[in-house]
Amino acid sequence: DGGITQSPKYLFRKEGQNVTLSCEQNLNHDAMYWYRQDPGQGLRLIYYSQIVNDFQKGDIAEGYSVSREKKESFPLTVTSAQKNPTAFYLCASSLRDTPLNTEAFFGQGTRLTVV
Amino acid sequence: AQKITQTQPGMFVQEKEAVTLDCTYDTSDPSYGLFWYKQPSSGEMIFLIYQGSYDQQNATEGRYSLNFQKARKSANLVISASQLGDSAMYFCAMSGIQGAQKLVFGQGTRLTINP
Repeated sequence: DGGITQSPKYLFRKEGQNVTLSCEQNLNHDAMYWYRQDPGQGLRLIYYSQIVNDFQKGDIAEGYSVSREKKESFPLTVTSAQKNPTAFYLCASSLRDTPLNTEAFFGQGTRLTVV
Repeated sequence: AQKITQTQPGMFVQEKEAVTLDCTYDTSDPSYGLFWYKQPSSGEMIFLIYQGSYDQQNATEGRYSLNFQKARKSANLVISASQLGDSAMYFCAMSGIQGAQKLVFGQGTRLTINP
């Protein structure tokens, strides 16, 4: 079945460590996104990519980095510079050709906890 | 900049009643799209309904309808004949040409259906 796979589902990180969250899609979508969700809050955009080898910062990019070497993959690295990384992270993808009415498909999310 | 406002942090409704979840938006884009997503306790985001800014008719998808009032910049979600399984967080989101296709989300409304 086509979809978006995020791994792992739960992730624990020690303070000062970098950690990478995986996001893979087999929907042949051009655009991919990373969102952060804090308890009881909406989704805030971290980074997005509309095409391979290109990505743009979202609203809260500080302390995060991404790469887009393949169309199917958009990994997110949470660096030690991110002061409060404990959150729920959601990856999404969408078609690029019809930007207005194309829904975004989401993965199941990764819950990151700093211990 | 685009902004979505959801003013109802929580809603409690009796089963089988209709419920309206409020959403207002602000944008300078001449064309934009409006979306509603459902987020159950498991965390995944489920697409419910889409409304384009130039669509003449309000969107409907089964028990979901979108009450689009362009002059008021509102895009309320109406759920008819609510069911226990409708209990979840609901997010309003928008996209726009100038927004480079990225989705901007509101803070969400937690809907609880009582038996």
